[in-house]
Amino acid sequence: DQQVKQNSPSLSVQEGRISILNCDYTNSMFDYFLWYKKYPAEGPTFLISISSIKDKNEDGRFTVFLNKSAKHLSLHIVPSQPGDSAVYFCAAGFMNRDDKIIFGKGTRLHILP
Amino acid sequence: KAGVTQTPRYLIKTRGQQVTLSCSPISGHRSVSWYQQTPGQGLQFLFEYFSETQRNKGNFPGRFSGRQFSNSRSEMNVSTLELGDSALYLCASSLAGGGAYTGELFFGEGSRLTVL
Repeated sequence: DQQVKQNSPSLSVQEGRISILNCDYTNSMFDYFLWYKKYPAEGPTFLISISSIKDKNEDGRFTVFLNKSAKHLSLHIVPSQPGDSAVYFCAAGFMNRDDKIIFGKGTRLHILP
Repeated sequence: KAGVTQTPRYLIKTRGQQVTLSCSPISGHRSVSWYQQTPGQGLQFLFEYFSETQRNKGNFPGRFSGRQFSNSRSEMNVSTLELGDSALYLCASSLAGGGAYTGELFFGEGSRLTVL
């Protein structure tokens, strides 16, 4: 049962344009969401997070949007840069419960020159 | 401050053997989680240890086990290896519990296991 779904295995975006990575979840009890970025031969690194009390969180070029009614979140990267080429994992968890964090399968982002 | 350290980085085993992977968390971090990464399945949760106790467990067979020591270092063991166990095994530590509110999991670089 895949509780966190990233339906696009890969995405190609021109350098300078906006990259939009999507994520859907099935468990309405999730109240905290995170994005991680992974380069080959490295462990994932935390990028940005959002709690369910917000619908948007911004950090520099990265913005995460949360649509609770649709159980959908997205990560926007503007403008996209070559160093953004990586695998992006969406993850979900619980604010006040010590429970596992569930990750999606990841989306490989290619930034084209 | 040193990051999460996993050893060994690469290893090759044959079917039926067993393997032990080690993880040293960031100093002060008491929670250690283990994930399996495969191309088709992404990051799948194995288990989480906190203060030497397994607190959360994923949906993996009993061949996968782990433990945590009093210094928060953790090991995971896979017995009777199968070809499908070939994967990158990632360890992550966090300050407190598994709650996402801690902000983030800090991952190691992983141990890449190949089963022949």
